[in-house]
Amino acid sequence: DAEITQSPRHKITETGRQVTLACHQTWNHNNMFWYRQDLGHGLRLIHYSYGVQDTNKGEVSDGYSVSRSNTEDLPLTLESAASSQTSVYFCASSTIRQETQYFGPGTRLLVL
Amino acid sequence: AQSVTQLDSHVSVSEGTPVLLRCNYSSSYSPSLFWYVQHPNKGLQLLLKYTSAATLVKGINGFEAEFKKSETSFHLTKPSAHMSDAAEYFCVVSDLGGGFKTIFGAGTRLFVKA
Repeated sequence: DAEITQSPRHKITETGRQVTLACHQTWNHNNMFWYRQDLGHGLRLIHYSYGVQDTNKGEVSDGYSVSRSNTEDLPLTLESAASSQTSVYFCASSTIRQETQYFGPGTRLLVL
Repeated sequence: AQSVTQLDSHVSVSEGTPVLLRCNYSSSYSPSLFWYVQHPNKGLQLLLKYTSAATLVKGINGFEAEFKKSETSFHLTKPSAHMSDAAEYFCVVSDLGGGFKTIFGAGTRLFVKA
C-alpha cells in the first residue's frame, strides 16, 4: 500500500544545530507540504512543492528550507535550530492542488 | 482573503447524543472544503470533502457536513457520538485564488462522555 513516512518520529536537539527531517511518500504525488502544529494555531504551512525542483515558501518559512530532487522526498532543514521551533511537524502530499492531502505520522521536535 | 474559523475550541457530548462541530469560512473563489480528524499522537486523516458537487457530503464513521454558501458554513455533524470519536477535528479551506492556498482552522477538540 502507498504511504507517507517521516523520520525521525522524535528528535531532541540543541539551539544552533542544523536538523533535517525526512519525508518520503510512495503515492507518486506531485505536491508535497510541510506543516508545523502548535497549540492554538492548528497547522501552519512552512514550505510546499508542486514537483521536482519546485519549492515555495509558506506562512511560516523563516528558519526553514526544503529541496525537491525527486518525486518521493521532501526533506525539511532547520538551518540553525531555535527553541521557537519546538513543535510537531507533519508532512503531507496530494495529487492536485485542491485535492485531499495525505499526512504522515508526524515528527515531534524538541529544541533545548 | 481566505480564512476559516472553527467556532468552538472544545465540544463535550455524551455517548449516543448528536455531535455538531461548527466551521465558517471565507473565500473569494470556489473553494474546496475538508474536515480532517486527528487522534492523539497520530497524523491527520480525511473525514470528508466538498468540491462543488452535492452540498450534503457524507464521510467516514457516520459523519456528514453540509455546505451552505449563503451562510459560508460547513458544519460537521454525526447523529450519535461514540467513544472512539474523541479526537481533534480540523476544518480546512482550499482554493486557487492568488496561487494555491490551503488554510487550516485552529481545531475543535471533541470529548465524549460515557
